Amino acid sequence: DGGITQSPKYLFRKEGQNVTLSCEQNLNHDAMYWYRQDPGQGLRLIYYSQIVNDFQKGDIAEGYSVSREKKESFPLTVTSAQKNPTAFYLCASSISGGYGVNEQFFGPGTRLTVL
Amino acid sequence: AQSVTQPDIHITVSEGASLELRCNYSYGATPYLFWYVQSPGQGLQLLLKYFSGDTLVQGIKGFEAEFKRSQSSFNLRKPSVHWSDAAEYFCAVGDNFNKFYFGSGTKLNVKP
Repeated sequence: DGGITQSPKYLFRKEGQNVTLSCEQNLNHDAMYWYRQDPGQGLRLIYYSQIVNDFQKGDIAEGYSVSREKKESFPLTVTSAQKNPTAFYLCASSISGGYGVNEQFFGPGTRLTVL
Repeated sequence: AQSVTQPDIHITVSEGASLELRCNYSYGATPYLFWYVQSPGQGLQLLLKYFSGDTLVQGIKGFEAEFKRSQSSFNLRKPSVHWSDAAEYFCAVGDNFNKFYFGSGTKLNVKP
C-alpha cells in the first residue's frame, strides 16, 4: 500500500538534545512538507521541499532543520535552539510542488515530548 | 495575506442531527479549498476539495461543502451525524505554489 510513514509515533528527549523525526513516502510524490500542530492552533508549516535537494522555510522554521537527499525521505531535526519543541509533528506530501495546487496526503504524526 | 478562520472551536450535536461547520477564508485570487478530518493522535484525511466549477462539492463519508464567493465561506455539512464522525475538522486554503493555510480546527462531539 502506498502511503506516508512517520517514526517513531512517540518520542521523548531531554532538553538541549537535538532529535530527528523520520518521514518516508512511497507515493512517488515530488513535494513534501513538515507541519507542527499545537492545541487550538491548527497546523503551521515548518519546512517544505518541492524537489530533491531543495527546500524552503515555512512560517516557523527557527530551531528546525531538514534535508531532502532522496525523493522518498524528508527528515526533520528539532534542534536545541527550538524554544518550545514539545508538539505533534505531521509530515505530508503532494504529487507536485510546482505551480498549481494538489491535495496533500498526511502521515500519522510523531508526538515529541521534551522533558 | 492568506488566512482561514474557523469560528467554532467546539461543537456538540446529537447523533442523527444535521451538522454545519463554518469556514471563512481570506485569499486574493481564486481559492483552492479543502476540508480535512483528524481523529485523536492521527494524521489528517481529506474529506473534500474545491478547485472550480460546481460550488456544491461532495466528499467522502457523506459530507458536502458549499463554496460561496460572496461570503468568502466554505462551510462543511452533513445531513445526519454518526457517532464515528466525532473528530477534529480543519479547513484549508491552498495557494498557487501548493502552500496550504489551515484554520485552527473545530472539534466535533457527538451525543448518543
